[in-house]
Amino acid sequence: AQSVTQPDIHITVSEGASLELRCNYSYGATPYLFWYVQSPGQGLQLLLKYFSGDTLVQGIKGFEAEFKRSQSSFNLRKPSVHWSDAAEYFCAVTNTGFQKLVFGTGTRLLVSP
Amino acid sequence: KAGVTQTPRYLIKTRGQQVTLSCSPISGHRSVSWYQQTPGQGLQFLFEYFSETQRNKGNFPGRFSGRQFSNSRSEMNVSTLELGDSALYLCASSQGMDNEQFFGPGTRLTVL
Repeated sequence: AQSVTQPDIHITVSEGASLELRCNYSYGATPYLFWYVQSPGQGLQLLLKYFSGDTLVQGIKGFEAEFKRSQSSFNLRKPSVHWSDAAEYFCAVTNTGFQKLVFGTGTRLLVSP
Repeated sequence: KAGVTQTPRYLIKTRGQQVTLSCSPISGHRSVSWYQQTPGQGLQFLFEYFSETQRNKGNFPGRFSGRQFSNSRSEMNVSTLELGDSALYLCASSQGMDNEQFFGPGTRLTVL
């Protein structure tokens, strides 16, 4: 069965510092991978996705992620964090042809001044 | 283009009652998926509808059901509510298979 692990429940980063959120997945075939962000009381907004091709994908709000098949990872990065990035981030995976997303447990990002 | 809309945004029910939640997808999107979000279980897939047919189903009891109409709008129903059904219910729409999903703001259901 597919699964997604986000090992960090909380992360605190200073404003202006770089950010990396970890995501590991378990899936036999090539997965479709996503990062979503959720602000308090809101739905999920897609930051970026990986389907195939270039393993470094660019997303919105200055985020990027790198797919590493050998490590079964899809870590999210941002070079300089802004206070407005404080939110909860979810990594998700699905297989081809299906809309059933399997989510990680999320990482809550806190941004300190 | 309008996003995914969900109504109502907030609901309070008591145990044993039933509830119906509504989701209007983005215009042109034919797939609608439902997810339950709780602090304990996180985000869990409920079911997905495409062209009025349930195409995928998660691991939830039969008290959770859904349907999709010809205009792609979807409803989900929970019967005989339990305290554990308190959650944020998220709806997502997409154009079809292998397409990214766009989420609505969710319906916050509280069961007392």
